[in-house]
Amino acid sequence: ETGVTQTPRHLVMGMTNKKSLKCEQHLGHNAMYWYKQSAKKPLELMFVYNFKEQTENNSVPSRFSPECPNSSHLFLHLHTLQPEDSALYLCASSQDPSGSNQPQHFGDGTRLSIL
Amino acid sequence: AQSVTQLDSHVSVSEGTPVLLRCNYSSSYSPSLFWYVQHPNKGLQLLLKYTSAATLVKGINGFEAEFKKSETSFHLTKPSAHMSDAAEYFCVVIKYSGNTPLVFGKGTRLSVIA
Repeated sequence: ETGVTQTPRHLVMGMTNKKSLKCEQHLGHNAMYWYKQSAKKPLELMFVYNFKEQTENNSVPSRFSPECPNSSHLFLHLHTLQPEDSALYLCASSQDPSGSNQPQHFGDGTRLSIL
Repeated sequence: AQSVTQLDSHVSVSEGTPVLLRCNYSSSYSPSLFWYVQHPNKGLQLLLKYTSAATLVKGINGFEAEFKKSETSFHLTKPSAHMSDAAEYFCVVIKYSGNTPLVFGKGTRLSVIA
């Protein structure tokens, strides 16, 4: 039990589909993050939310659209994805994103495959 | 700027022998450093963290790491490897600018041979 739950665990979709990834944290944290983990590449930070407000967007293509309705929930809406978007998408949360020695807690990820 | 370099992409040890996973850091400030572990099909789990208190940090599952400022290193060790230690390990430094607080190394894959 990590305190951060991601659904679905696996997702296969075509390039024209629209789907959403969901993340929920039960830790009372204020910040939430989306990461992309591809084979043979370092972990890539995609989005940061602090108190529901987006504070960072690391030049992510617009086919990825995040949504954070409250401090406990984070979504990643997907549309018109490309084969290179196949990866493990990890959600994380922390007490605050200011770097004050706070570790991030990760979910188990959604394995996304684009056909 | 803060960064970490994991010196080995893959380490293989026999069960019961010591583990050494190497990490060097670069930081303009006194760094805060973490080690995370990722088992197959799982997210990242925090093993231990250094935040300028004791230089020898003990973590979960028998792992520990020593912060050496003179060598800018934060190597992860364990006296005796277990089969369940086979996983990917990430060295991480806190970045103090902007809102992207963690900088991840590329990871070291640890294999444990029976």
